[in-house]
Amino acid sequence: ETGVTQTPRHLVMGMTNKKSLKCEQHLGHNAMYWYKQSAKKPLELMFVYNFKEQTENNSVPSRFSPECPNSSHLFLHLHTLQPEDSALYLCASRPEAGAIGSWGANVLTFGAGSRLTVL
Amino acid sequence: TQLLEQSPQFLSIQEGENLTVYCNSSSVFSSLQWYRQEPGEGPVLLVTVVTGGEVKKLKRLTFQFGDARKDSSLHITAAQPGDTGLYLCAGDYQLIWGAGTKLIIKP
Repeated sequence: ETGVTQTPRHLVMGMTNKKSLKCEQHLGHNAMYWYKQSAKKPLELMFVYNFKEQTENNSVPSRFSPECPNSSHLFLHLHTLQPEDSALYLCASRPEAGAIGSWGANVLTFGAGSRLTVL
Repeated sequence: TQLLEQSPQFLSIQEGENLTVYCNSSSVFSSLQWYRQEPGEGPVLLVTVVTGGEVKKLKRLTFQFGDARKDSSLHITAAQPGDTGLYLCAGDYQLIWGAGTKLIIKP
């Protein structure tokens, strides 16, 4: 496979469930990101990892727990979510491991997203 | 707080028509990017503009960065159904995002 792959594509969970979203990239990139996309709202950056190290946590509630075991894989562990957490969760990667917002060929490649519904 | 406001939020037009969508801010950006997101997919980068007044063309799409680097526009000539999607602008290399313009081109 090429590009950025996210699984599952759709997830329905209750507020007391524990689930995980997975992201895998085959682009040789060093930086990976989680974004939240809600209808009619701007994309919200959640977490950034460079070379497996978390470099950004955008005041995300602790019920979201990221994990980056290597530069190709990124997980988002979900626990006791709220209905307002229902959204499309997008994973993205970029080649350069510089700080977000830096110059250069920092093109983000996105996955197709995981559509999460919390009941 | 930097914000990017996109307008209109929604636009539905017939195939063959021209259209312009906007991305505005009161803040100055070092760069601005436009993405298109099709249903069931993630956003895909269309263009990056970095110089005030810059104009870039991508086939029937024309992108302009405002002289003061606070705003940008996307003009589509002779729209086609394949142009349907959510158009997002992002400033400063994906630090700040707009909420998008949902564009539907009817055949």
